[in-house]
Amino acid sequence: NAGVTQTPKFQVLKTGQSMTLQCAQDMNHNSMYWYRQDPGMGLRLIYYSASEGTTDKGEVPNGYNVSRLNKREFSLRLESAAPSQTSVYFCASLAGGYEQYFGPGTRLTVT
Amino acid sequence: GESVGLHLPTLSVQEGDNSIINCAYSNSASDYFIWYKQESGKGPQFIIDIRSNMDKRQGQRVTVLLNKTVKHLSLQIAATQPGDSAVYFCAENIGSSYKLIFGSGTRLLVRP
Repeated sequence: NAGVTQTPKFQVLKTGQSMTLQCAQDMNHNSMYWYRQDPGMGLRLIYYSASEGTTDKGEVPNGYNVSRLNKREFSLRLESAAPSQTSVYFCASLAGGYEQYFGPGTRLTVT
Repeated sequence: GESVGLHLPTLSVQEGDNSIINCAYSNSASDYFIWYKQESGKGPQFIIDIRSNMDKRQGQRVTVLLNKTVKHLSLQIAATQPGDSAVYFCAENIGSSYKLIFGSGTRLLVRP
C-alpha cells in the first residue's frame, strides 16, 4: 500500500513548455486534489475531483488543466509554463470524513 | 475572501516544554478543522481534527482547542521533542464541500 504517489519528484521547465504531473492513489478514495505551495505559504487548491468523472476548479485554476483518468489517477497539466508557476505541487486524496492524505510533492521550477 | 491565518510564523521551544500553536479563522460557517504537520521536503501529514460542535479533542501528546466565540483554534503539543520540529498548518472545511482552506503555517523549532 503506497498511499499517494507523485511523479516526477523534480522538474525544470523553460517558459512556454508543457508538462503533466502524475498522481495515483491505491486507497480506493473517491476524491482527489491538486495543491500548490509557494515558499513560506500554505497550500492553495488548484483543482479537485470529488469522484471519478468529475473535476472542479479550486482557488487558483488559471494556467492548469486536470484529468481524472480513473479512480486511482488524477493528473495536472501545464499547457504553457510560466515562471509564476514555480512551486511545489501536492496531490491528495480524501479518506472518510475530511482527512486528506498527501503525496510527497513535485518541485517545479520554470525559468 | 474567507481565510485561515496564524498568529506566529515561528515558534522556538526547549525540548521537553509544551508548545502552543495558534490559528485564527474568519468563516463562522466552518464546521471542521484539521491540524497538519509538514516536515521539510515532505507532504503534510494529518495530526488531529475537531468538529465545530466540540471545544476540545485530545490525541497522543496533542490537544486541539476550539473557541468559536473568537474564531480561534490552537494545537498544544506536550513534552515537545526534536521530532516535532516542522511547519504546522491549520485547515478548515466549510459545509460539505470536501475542500480545505489552509493557513500559512507556523514553523516550530525545538531546541535541544
